Amino acid sequence: QSVLTQPPSASGAPGQWVAISCSVSSSNIAINTVNWYQQVPGTAPKLLIYSNDQRPSGVPDRFSLSKSGTSASLAISGLQSEDEAVYYCAAWDDSLNGPVFGGGTKLTVL
Amino acid sequence: QEQLVQSGAEVKNIGASVKLSCKASGYPFTNFYIHWVRQAPGQGLEWMGIINPSGGSTTYAQTLQGRVTMTRDTSTSTVYMYLSSLGSEDTAVYYCARDYYGSGSYWKMDVWGKGTTVTVSS
Repeated sequence: QSVLTQPPSASGAPGQWVAISCSVSSSNIAINTVNWYQQVPGTAPKLLIYSNDQRPSGVPDRFSLSKSGTSASLAISGLQSEDEAVYYCAAWDDSLNGPVFGGGTKLTVL
Repeated sequence: QEQLVQSGAEVKNIGASVKLSCKASGYPFTNFYIHWVRQAPGQGLEWMGIINPSGGSTTYAQTLQGRVTMTRDTSTSTVYMYLSSLGSEDTAVYYCARDYYGSGSYWKMDVWGKGTTVTVSS
């Protein structure tokens, strides 16, 4: 059982807004260490969001991060068909001295 | 451009060992940590460990302690991951990924290799 809990699935129609939650259940993990990765089937994961809502070059601002208490959510606005992928949250666990991943959320664009 | 190029697919018998490589290019090799992450078929991502190419220090996931060893060769900008006593549960795609800070608030895996498929069978 991961210390980062994500819903297994999410969906939305093109143009809609969708949010995927990542709940942190360990005191050894700081919410501000949460990153989000996107993985299209058959390809390597890709960094989407890191360190307090920062996006790497090339990631559109349709992707954003919001935090509330012990939860960090990935928000996607203006949903597009190419957003269909599995999304993983990950965070640094000080007790492991390494990162942990959530179980992943499969996003379907209807 | 900045990239990590991983070695080719491997097929191993149960009980064997495997050594995978991850060659960095397009950036200063010793400035970035390298993580190894694996993904079993149809499953999520599992962190295996991290190496600092500058000094060679490592941290491994507790679940793999004693079976995994990560090394680096600064002359070729290559990191290696050796996994021993393979079982069917080690069948997975293995990824390497770089990380500038390697820990704490600013960690992030910003460049990933394409992955190496390891199949363990009897």
